[in-house]
Amino acid sequence: DTEVTQTPKHLVMGMTNKKSLKCEQHMGHRAMYWYKQKAKKPPELMFVYSYEKLSINESVPSRFSPECPNSSLLNLHLHALQPEDSALYLCASSQAVGPLYEQYFGPGTRLTVT
Amino acid sequence: DAKTTQPNSMESNEEEPVHLPCNHSTISGTDYIHWYRQLPSQGPEYVIHGLTSNVNNRMASLAIAEDRKSSTLILHRATLRDAAVYYCILAYSGYSTLTFGKGTMLLVSP
Repeated sequence: DTEVTQTPKHLVMGMTNKKSLKCEQHMGHRAMYWYKQKAKKPPELMFVYSYEKLSINESVPSRFSPECPNSSLLNLHLHALQPEDSALYLCASSQAVGPLYEQYFGPGTRLTVT
Repeated sequence: DAKTTQPNSMESNEEEPVHLPCNHSTISGTDYIHWYRQLPSQGPEYVIHGLTSNVNNRMASLAIAEDRKSSTLILHRATLRDAAVYYCILAYSGYSTLTFGKGTMLLVSP
């Protein structure tokens, strides 16, 4: 099973809402990632978790709060977002961090902030 | 940071081979060359990666120039399902993830 699942598929939220995105993998991978992708642009890295610890935060605003409760699960908590945060949010996992390992991506959550 | 240069778009006919080029003239000795593709409305999909030698898998082949300053992703028989944006990415030994460039949009005609 090489599947990364993400829920929900679509999310519409207001600027005062709090919501969470969920990502799950059962491949035994110890590295997990959040990317953001705006329309017609390449994915941009947001966060990297390695062995359930945050190892990279690409200067992401604090209104995005990642959480890795266990090795299979990755959450992204959203609060007080802006309309410009509307994008496709992609989760990925790999066996470990490093250039040797390929990443497996989920289908993404398409977020619209109104 | 070492960067990659790819054509914005390429066209192919179904069942013909496709050669997607990538230039990475500032590559360092420990950088891996990764290829991913993204079909419309989907997340990126791993295709292949290599360091120095040519690589083959069920999806594609990766040909790496002897000086490693360029590489070519080869799809042996294009299908309509291969229409996607193809990203050539250098993965650094000192940085734990991938930096996507603009990629090449591959159009496949029946």
